[in-house]
Amino acid sequence: GNSVTQMEGPVTLSEEAFLTINCTYTATGYPSLFWYVQYPGEGLQLLLKATKADDKGSNKGFEATYRKETTSFHLEKGSVQVSDSAVYFCALSVYNNNDMRFGAGTRLTVKP
Amino acid sequence: DVKVTQSSRYLVKRTGEKVFLECVQDMDHENMFWYRQDPGLGLRLIYFSYDVKMKEKGDIPEGYSVSREKKERFSLILESASTNQTSMYLCASSLKGGYGYTFGSGTRLTVV
Repeated sequence: GNSVTQMEGPVTLSEEAFLTINCTYTATGYPSLFWYVQYPGEGLQLLLKATKADDKGSNKGFEATYRKETTSFHLEKGSVQVSDSAVYFCALSVYNNNDMRFGAGTRLTVKP
Repeated sequence: DVKVTQSSRYLVKRTGEKVFLECVQDMDHENMFWYRQDPGLGLRLIYFSYDVKMKEKGDIPEGYSVSREKKERFSLILESASTNQTSMYLCASSLKGGYGYTFGSGTRLTVV
């Protein structure tokens, strides 16, 4: 079946540190890959996406590259801010199958 | 701005009550979904719908039912609420083709 595994948290970083949150996937077919972010007390928001191998999704300084050879979609940011504190979810959706699968989520806390 | 609106942010119900959670989207999306979110378990799919009057079970449908009488509205029903249904419930919608979901802000349900 289709599934996503992401690194367990929580992750605590100082402001301006480099962030990596690992995500690997298993899928039949050709999935699209997503990162969602959930700020405290809110629903999930789409952060970035990539729909085919070697695509790079980017938004708000975050980046992730769709690596088919390693079945990975790691989230990175060069310099995190306190406002980036949130829970981050990796997800996949197989084309023509809208049953999106989410990872367990990684809580990020950024300290000043 | 496109929206998925969940009728309540916080809800407290008694064990055995019938509970209705409402979700409305204004994007003319075909697909709608109900998830529950629990610490350490991430998002788990309860039910989804590809069209009006159509429903499909997700991973954890037991104790729940759904209704989709109009394209824009997808209701989750707890037939007889139990304490183990205390959770955050998230509604989402999407176009066909797996291009990402739009989420509501969530309903935090407490069953006492």
